[in-house]
Amino acid sequence: ETGVTQTPRHLVMGMTNKKSLKCEQHLGHNAMYWYKQSAKKPLELMFVYSLEERVENNSVPSRFSPECPNSSHLFLHLHTLQPEDSALYLCASSQEGGRWGQETQYFGPGTRLLVL
Amino acid sequence: KQEVTQIPAALSVPEGENLVLNCSFTDSAIYNLQWFRQDPGKGLTSLLLIQSSQREQTSGRLNASLDKSSGRSTLYIAASQPGDSATYLCAVNSRGSNYKLTFGKGTLLTVNP
Repeated sequence: ETGVTQTPRHLVMGMTNKKSLKCEQHLGHNAMYWYKQSAKKPLELMFVYSLEERVENNSVPSRFSPECPNSSHLFLHLHTLQPEDSALYLCASSQEGGRWGQETQYFGPGTRLLVL
Repeated sequence: KQEVTQIPAALSVPEGENLVLNCSFTDSAIYNLQWFRQDPGKGLTSLLLIQSSQREQTSGRLNASLDKSSGRSTLYIAASQPGDSATYLCAVNSRGSNYKLTFGKGTLLTVNP
């Protein structure tokens, strides 16, 4: 596999469930990102990890819990979600996570989440 | 707070036509501006990245311009093809935001055969 992969591609869960989204990048990058894309809204950054350290938490509710065990893998743990959390969750990576935002980010195909 | 607006929200053109997509942003203190393409149900593909010091970037049939002082960028697509049908997103990286890209809502382009 090449690029950025995400699993599962589709997920339906109840509000009391616990699930995890997985992202893996095969590009040798040092930074990884979680984004949320809701219908009719712009793409929103959720979390950023650089060298496995969280460097940005964009005011995301605690029912979303990220984990970055190494520079190639990123997880988003979900618990007690709300219907309004239904969205496309996109993972991205970049070479360095450079401070001055000079880099292109490479995106995975996303996980389509539906919360019932 | 940076805000990015894309006009039009949707555009439908016949194959072969040249077209322009517009992007405007409220805070001109940016590091760079990027144009992405998103196919239905899929992730984003980076098309062009323009640094704040640059005026334009070209890749094949695509040309993106940047006028930082007026807070505007355009994406020009020459000789459009049905395969160009997708949503085109504009994103800016603003000073003080580090990793954070601020995205517009996108323009949905349909190129009819």
